[in-house]
Amino acid sequence: EVQLVESGGGLVQPGRSLRLSCAASGFTFDDYAMQWVRQAPGKGLEWVSGINWNSGSIGYADSVRGRFTISRDNAKNSLYLQMNSLRPDDTALYYCAKVTNKVIIGEAMDVWGQGTTVTVSS
Amino acid sequence: QSALTQPRSVSGSPGQSVTISCTGTSSDVGNYNYVSWYQQHPGKAPKLMIYDVTRRPSGVPDRFSGSKSGNTASLTISGLQAEDEADYYCCSYAGSYTYVFGTGTKVTVL
Repeated sequence: EVQLVESGGGLVQPGRSLRLSCAASGFTFDDYAMQWVRQAPGKGLEWVSGINWNSGSIGYADSVRGRFTISRDNAKNSLYLQMNSLRPDDTALYYCAKVTNKVIIGEAMDVWGQGTTVTVSS
Repeated sequence: QSALTQPRSVSGSPGQSVTISCTGTSSDVGNYNYVSWYQQHPGKAPKLMIYDVTRRPSGVPDRFSGSKSGNTASLTISGLQAEDEADYYCCSYAGSYTYVFGTGTKVTVL
């Protein structure tokens, strides 16, 4: 079964850091690009960041560029999101999603995890 | 990276058709045939319903169809069913390895 399991969320103070992880199983991880998408409480989906299969192509939303870093470890079948200088408006449920191809040029997200919650508050 | 514009809500009776619009710009929807649509039930993760503007993943009923004209993409649900009641989001590639989602539309089955 294809599965994505996020972890690492929690309550953190503004300005602090947090690292999210996404463990993938049931598919050949390094055959696919991956994305992070977030959803603030009661709000819509917001694309955060994406990475292609070999980490050679990476994109960020303007709202997180310079503060967040996406990475992957294909040997560990894992995707990461390092979040620095967190702000209250980063509070959201963070999903990792598998892309339908190796690249992140237009590809859709066909498998989603259940998300991990990040709350930024003092 | 402004969010794509969707109507806040649409509704229809069982068996009817509803269409959700998704309006972007010439930098995203209008420039790429990379529009996807996601269905999200309350408390659940999103589910891919349409990709590459018109293509349906395996397992998605053919009641769901997509199209695009200029800077506006559309999702049509024909033969509306109770289980189609959910939030729907469009998403477009916006260049330079970036994406943008729509504001979301709540579909209500009357």
